[in-house]
Amino acid sequence: QKEVEQNSGPLSVPEGAIASLNCTYSDRVSQSFFWYRQYSGKSPELIMSIYSNGDKEDGRFTAQLNKASQYVSLLIRDSQPSDSATYLCAVSWASGSARQLTFGSGTQLTVLP
Amino acid sequence: DGGITQSPKYLFRKEGQNVTLSCEQNLNHDAMYWYRQDPGQGLRLIYYSQIVNDFQKGDIAEGYSVSREKKESFPLTVTSAQKNPTAFYLCASSIYRGSNQPQHFGDGTRLSIL
Repeated sequence: QKEVEQNSGPLSVPEGAIASLNCTYSDRVSQSFFWYRQYSGKSPELIMSIYSNGDKEDGRFTAQLNKASQYVSLLIRDSQPSDSATYLCAVSWASGSARQLTFGSGTQLTVLP
Repeated sequence: DGGITQSPKYLFRKEGQNVTLSCEQNLNHDAMYWYRQDPGQGLRLIYYSQIVNDFQKGDIAEGYSVSREKKESFPLTVTSAQKNPTAFYLCASSIYRGSNQPQHFGDGTRLSIL
């Protein structure tokens, strides 16, 4: 059973602060890792993909991957009220010739003005 | 515009009734997926299809059925055997089977019991 665990939250940060979201996974052979943002009542939207150890930056978002520790995180710098959403961590793994995603249960982030 | 279209946005099911949720994509993606999301929870995989005329059960396939007769279309039927169908249903696609590329989602269908 592939498992993905996220810090349960909810997480509240003041506007302008750094929000830190964490995720651990159980499958050592997972190769691809994704962060999705889901606004209330909407579908998930991909915001970051990361495939190799280290940091990947895209605007105010930084994804960090440590495969040895089976840990992936998302940092949001200069948090804005519009960042208030649930953030889903997803881990890709092989199932025969196909690949599947296992999702964490999400961390709800509130950015306070 | 390229994307994934799910319909209807809201659906109500009566006791003993089968209902079908539509998912169409014009991204030329090979792989398509159906997920279920319950309040406060992550996504759980119902079925997935890597190529036309082939599909596989996911973690929670009981009470559901699918077909993949065309590359663009992957409809999901919620049968009367699914006793707790109230949920948010999400269809996704990715470029080809075995790919490490991410999945992209449609806008979802909310299903409720009357």
